[in-house]
Amino acid sequence: DIQMTQSPSSLSASVGDRVTITCRASQSISKYLTWYQQKPGKAPRLLIYAASSLQTGVPSRFGGSGSGTDFTLTISSLQPEDFATYYCQQSDSTPFTFGPGTKVDIK
Amino acid sequence: QVQLQESGPGLVRPSETLSLTCTVSGGSISGYYWTWIRQPPGKGLEWIGYIYYAGNTNYNPSLKSRVAISVDTSKNQFSLRLSSVTAADTAVYYCARVDDPNWFDPWGQGTLVTVSS
Repeated sequence: DIQMTQSPSSLSASVGDRVTITCRASQSISKYLTWYQQKPGKAPRLLIYAASSLQTGVPSRFGGSGSGTDFTLTISSLQPEDFATYYCQQSDSTPFTFGPGTKVDIK
Repeated sequence: QVQLQESGPGLVRPSETLSLTCTVSGGSISGYYWTWIRQPPGKGLEWIGYIYYAGNTNYNPSLKSRVAISVDTSKNQFSLRLSSVTAADTAVYYCARVDDPNWFDPWGQGTLVTVSS
């Protein structure tokens, strides 16, 4: 199985901050990397697919980059509605696997 | 737009079989892959498996001996059965559509299944 790690596991930030979350795969997954946002009690929401493609309706302050084993999710200017947990998922091969999540909370 | 809704018992006894159904509305189940994912309380996400509308399946090896996913195109539904459950199977179970290649969107709201006697 491809193992996914994320760093940091949590972070505290203020509205307006630039936030960067890193995801690493245990082997190359090309650009088959997806990012989700999950708020408490809600289902995950697709943010970015194919490492850098923004899902329709997702604000442009969200951006993704990377390929191979190292990927980044960036929120350019954190908004109040962005406080949530973020998961990466490799979509290269089964079993599809998720990172452990990064919780973004208010400083 | 396409919406998904999970349904099924919220409580299952240990050693019994967990059964859930996902109803797809606003679009056809045909032409797509559909998946189940679960999340134990306070923990991360685990992919369970997927099914193509034509019936082809692929399961997570960690659950393969206990899981079965089926589809009923006439009802626009697909279902999950997980046998011999234990407390470790307590989780919120989500259904979702698989987009090409292999990301999940949209998701159902999720349903909590507790395994307890």
